[in-house]
Amino acid sequence: EVQLVESGGGLVKPGGSLRLSCAASRFTFSSYSMNWVRQAPGRGLEWVSSISGTSGFVYYADSVKGRFTISRDNANNSLSLQMNSLRAEDTAVYYCARGEDPYFFDYWGQGTLVTVSS
Amino acid sequence: QTVVTQEPSFSVSPGGTVTLTCGLRSGSVSTSYYPSWYQQTPGQAPRTLIYSTNIRSSGVPDRFSGSILGNKAALTITGAQADDESDYYCVMYMGSGIRVFGGGTKLTVL
Repeated sequence: EVQLVESGGGLVKPGGSLRLSCAASRFTFSSYSMNWVRQAPGRGLEWVSSISGTSGFVYYADSVKGRFTISRDNANNSLSLQMNSLRAEDTAVYYCARGEDPYFFDYWGQGTLVTVSS
Repeated sequence: QTVVTQEPSFSVSPGGTVTLTCGLRSGSVSTSYYPSWYQQTPGQAPRTLIYSTNIRSSGVPDRFSGSILGNKAALTITGAQADDESDYYCVMYMGSGIRVFGGGTKLTVL
């Protein structure tokens, strides 16, 4: 069964930075696009970013464009999200999700909590 | 402002049928938006139910079905069970790599 395990969450001050990671296993990582989806406390799901299998295509939600950078290391089966200039409204559980054609998420990690607060 | 719209809440009786919808603030939903549906219970990761409008994900019971109804995507649950009580989210593919979630529907089974 596909496994996705997020890490790197924690408490950070507004304006600070944090790097999330997602370790993938039990599938051919490079063959799939990968995504970050977040959920603020008590709120709905929000798509954050996607990256194609070869990193040739990356996409971001307007809410994070210019502040967050998605990347992947296919040799090590890992996905990352570098988050800079963090704001209180970035506080959320961040999920790593595998992308499948056409344009949906088929497997999800358990999430990692990011809290932005002074 | 929410581009993708869902009913905030819905209730269904055990054994009953309920249809949740997913629309656009402007325009009609078509299969070209590749609507997908996800179920989430509190504290858990989402679970994929339906993709590409009406294809059930692996392991999803056939009482969950997807369709286009009028100008919206729809998720129908037939023979609702107590453990169907969850939040349900749709996602639309908006083109240029952009996906947008609806605000979610909280389904109560009572």
